[in-house]
Amino acid sequence: AQSVTQLGSHVSVSEGALVLLRCNYSSSVPPYLFWYVQYPNQGLQLLLKYTSAATLVKGINGFEAEFKKSETSFHLTKPSAHMSDAAEYFCAVSFFSGNTPLVFGKGTRLSVIA
Amino acid sequence: DGGITQSPKYLFRKEGQNVTLSCEQNLNHDAMYWYRQDPGQGLRLIYYSQIVNDFQKGDIAEGYSVSREKKESFPLTVTSAQKNPTAFYLCASSMRSSSSPLHFGNGTRLTVT
Repeated sequence: AQSVTQLGSHVSVSEGALVLLRCNYSSSVPPYLFWYVQYPNQGLQLLLKYTSAATLVKGINGFEAEFKKSETSFHLTKPSAHMSDAAEYFCAVSFFSGNTPLVFGKGTRLSVIA
Repeated sequence: DGGITQSPKYLFRKEGQNVTLSCEQNLNHDAMYWYRQDPGQGLRLIYYSQIVNDFQKGDIAEGYSVSREKKESFPLTVTSAQKNPTAFYLCASSMRSSSSPLHFGNGTRLTVT
């Protein structure tokens, strides 16, 4: 079955440290991949997306993600965490059918410690 | 500016009452979606619609109903049959392409007591 797994429901980093949020998918065909961010009591905002062009994708707020087909991964990174990065992050996958909605991971809550 | 409007932001109802959540978009998107969000469970798909006058059940459709009479509007009714309706509800829309991202509204927090 096609699925998305986000490793770690909660990640805590110090301000200025590297942020790494993990996302793995299960599919025999490389899908389209997305990362979203959600601040408390708000909707989700698109951070970046991979649609089979460059494997390293740059997004908003200094985030980027690398698609690795061999590892079926699409981890999200940011070199230096800022307090404003504290939020919940969702990985989502589109499994190549225009009639199938995105499948979301369960989310990772990022805390940034001063 | 184009976007998705969900109203109201907060909604309170007594148990046994039906309640309708509004979702309107002016992005000219064909597809619209309703998700339910509970702490630690991510987003779960309730219903989605790819075209006017047509919609499909998602993973947790029981106790919910929708209509899609206009391209811009996709209201969700939480019926009294929904056993645990208190949650944060998110509406989204997209173009009909698997590479198109979803655009989300700011959600409605429903509390049923």
